[in-house]
Amino acid sequence: GENVEQHPSTLSVQEGDSAVIKCTYSDSASNYFPWYKQELGKRPQLIIDIRSNVGEKKDQRIAVTLNKTAKHFSLHITETQPEDSAVYFCAASMDNDMRFGAGTRLTVKP
Amino acid sequence: DAGVIQSPRHEVTEMGQEVTLRCKPISGHNSLFWYRQTMMRGLELLIYFNNNVPIDDSGMPEDRFSAKMPNASFSTLKIQPSEPRDSAVYFCASSLLRGDRETQYFGPGTRLLVL
Repeated sequence: GENVEQHPSTLSVQEGDSAVIKCTYSDSASNYFPWYKQELGKRPQLIIDIRSNVGEKKDQRIAVTLNKTAKHFSLHITETQPEDSAVYFCAASMDNDMRFGAGTRLTVKP
Repeated sequence: DAGVIQSPRHEVTEMGQEVTLRCKPISGHNSLFWYRQTMMRGLELLIYFNNNVPIDDSGMPEDRFSAKMPNASFSTLKIQPSEPRDSAVYFCASSLLRGDRETQYFGPGTRLLVL
C-alpha cells in the first residue's frame, strides 16, 4: 500500500520568513496530493491540492510543487504569519484511498 | 451547507462498554471515510465507503471495530467491547468521487476516552 513520509516533524520560523514542508510517497499510481491544516482541537481543513498532471499550483501565499519522477511534493508558505501556526498534513491518494503523512507542527514566531 | 456532522462530539466510557459513533456526510457526496487520530499513530484511515458499499476496511484495527453505512446520509462506527487504547479522536470525512474531484471534507471529530 501507499506510504507517505513527511519532513520535518516540527518547524519554527520567524514571522515573514518562508516555510517549506516536504513529503515523499511510494505508490507511483497515486495521482492526487492534498495538503491539510489542522489547528489545535480542530478538524483537518484542506488548504491546497494538486493532481499528478500538474507540476505546480499556487494560491496567494501558499504553493505546492510535485515531482512525479522522484515521487515527492512540497508545500511552500511565504510571508508566514502567526495564524499560520498549526499542524500541516500531506496526503497521497488514488481513487479515494488516501494516506496521510505524520504531520509537521509549524510555529511562526512574531 | 452544514458540512459533515458527527455525534457525539465527546464520549467518555468505561472499558468493555459498546461505543457507537455517528456521521452524516455532506449531502450529495458519494464517499465516506472513517479516520482515527492519535499522537502516536497520526491520522489513520480505518475504512471507507463508495456509494454506501465498504471498499477497504484493511485499516480497521481488529474485530472489535465495525462500520456500517445503511444509506447515503448516515454511517456508524462501532467499538465493542471498547478498550483504553481505543482512546483517540475519530474523524469522519466525505467526498464526491467524480472524475478528478475527490477532495475530502472532515467532520469536527468525536473525542473518545475509554477509562
